[in-house]
Amino acid sequence: GEDVEQSLFLSVREGDSSVINCTYTDSSSTYLYWYKQEPGAGLQLLTYIFSNMDMKQDQRLTVLLNKKDKHLSLRIADTQTGDSAIYFCAESPFSGGYNKLIFGAGTRLAVHP
Amino acid sequence: DTEVTQTPKHLVMGMTNKKSLKCEQHMGHRAMYWYKQKAKKPPELMFVYSYEKLSINESVPSRFSPECPNSSLLNLHLHALQPEDSALYLCASSQTSDSGNTIYFGEGSWLTVV
Repeated sequence: GEDVEQSLFLSVREGDSSVINCTYTDSSSTYLYWYKQEPGAGLQLLTYIFSNMDMKQDQRLTVLLNKKDKHLSLRIADTQTGDSAIYFCAESPFSGGYNKLIFGAGTRLAVHP
Repeated sequence: DTEVTQTPKHLVMGMTNKKSLKCEQHMGHRAMYWYKQKAKKPPELMFVYSYEKLSINESVPSRFSPECPNSSLLNLHLHALQPEDSALYLCASSQTSDSGNTIYFGEGSWLTVV
C-alpha cells in the first residue's frame, strides 16, 4: 500500500537544529521529496533524494534515507524564524503508472527565539 | 527557472458563477497537474495532463473542467461550485508524467465559494 507518515508538530529554538522524520511504505519510490509550505503560499520544492543514496546535503539541509526501514529525515541546521512552515514528505511510487506524489500529513515547524 | 505561475491569487465566487483559474509554465514541461488543498491537509491530485491530453481524472466532479490549450498553459474552469469546494488550488508541472519526475508547484489560487 501507499502511505506516508510524519509527526504533526515540532517546536525548536532559533539557532538549534531541527529534525523532521518521515516513514513511507512503497519501496518502488525512485525519489523522495521534501516540500516546504509557508503560510498562505504554495509548495516549494526544498530538496529530494534518489533512492540509491543514503544522504544528501545542501547548505543547511541534510536528508538521510534508510531504505531498509523506509525512513526519511530532514535536518535543518541553525534553524531560523524564516524556517517556520509546514514541511511535507512525499514519495513517488514507480508502481503508480504515472507521476503520483503521495504526501504525508505535513509537519508544522515552529521556531521560537 | 522552476517557476509555475498561477492567476488569480485569490478568487471569491458565488455558487452560480462561472470562473477560471489559470496556470502557466515556461520550463518546457509536458506534464501539468491540478491539485486541491484543504486547510491543514496535504494536497490531493485532481487532474494530470500529459502532452496536452488529459490522462488522469481522480474522480473529480464535473463542475471542475480542466483545459490545456497548449504545452505552457493549463486552465481550470469552475461552474456551479459548492461552499465545500473552497480551498487552495495548486497547479504543478514536471518534465513528463512518467514516475520519478520532479514536480514543481505554483503559489496556488485561493478559492472561496459563497
